[in-house]
Amino acid sequence: AQSVTQLGSHVSVSEGALVLLRCNYSSSVPPYLFWYVQYPNQGLQLLLKYTSAATLVKGINGFEAEFKKSETSFHLTKPSAHMSDAAEYFCAVSRSNDYKLSFGAGTTVTVRA
Amino acid sequence: DTGVSQDPRHKITKRGQNVTFRCDPISEHNRLYWYRQTLGQGPEFLTYFQNEAQLEKSRLLSDRFSAERPKGSFSTLEIQRTEQGDSAMYLCASSDGTGNTEAFFGQGTRLTVV
Repeated sequence: AQSVTQLGSHVSVSEGALVLLRCNYSSSVPPYLFWYVQYPNQGLQLLLKYTSAATLVKGINGFEAEFKKSETSFHLTKPSAHMSDAAEYFCAVSRSNDYKLSFGAGTTVTVRA
Repeated sequence: DTGVSQDPRHKITKRGQNVTFRCDPISEHNRLYWYRQTLGQGPEFLTYFQNEAQLEKSRLLSDRFSAERPKGSFSTLEIQRTEQGDSAMYLCASSDGTGNTEAFFGQGTRLTVV
């Protein structure tokens, strides 16, 4: 079975500061890992995905994530937060590239001016 | 193509009533997924289709829930004898099944059972 744990349900950052969202996974097989963003009353938008190619994955809106097998982690970062980054972020895992996903509980990001 | 479309966006129903939601995927996508998201939680997988075939159903999908995709295009999710615990956002997503492109999510249908 696959599952993810997102550490921290809420993160508050200042505009221009580093954004770091933590995700740890468990998987019985090599995982496919995803980060999604959800704005209020909207569906989910894919930020980036890891599919066993490069361990450092670059996504949209300046986000990137690094797959660390030894730590079973897939943390999401952005060097400089923007007000528009305020949203809820979900880490997800799949056993294959088929989008049958197991999501974490989410992390809400607020950005202070 | 305007993306994945879900209808209605909001539904309020009385406990015990039946409700049906519709999802129109991106036209060339042969895979369609249903997820349920409760407040403060991540989405939970319910079921998915490859064309008209329902390939997998989660244990979350009780006997009161049924999903169809009769012609391999749009899909419906029906909940019979709704309960307050069914209140959630129901999300639909579609993909081309190759894994080379992302799955696109609709904006969801928010169900409130009173």
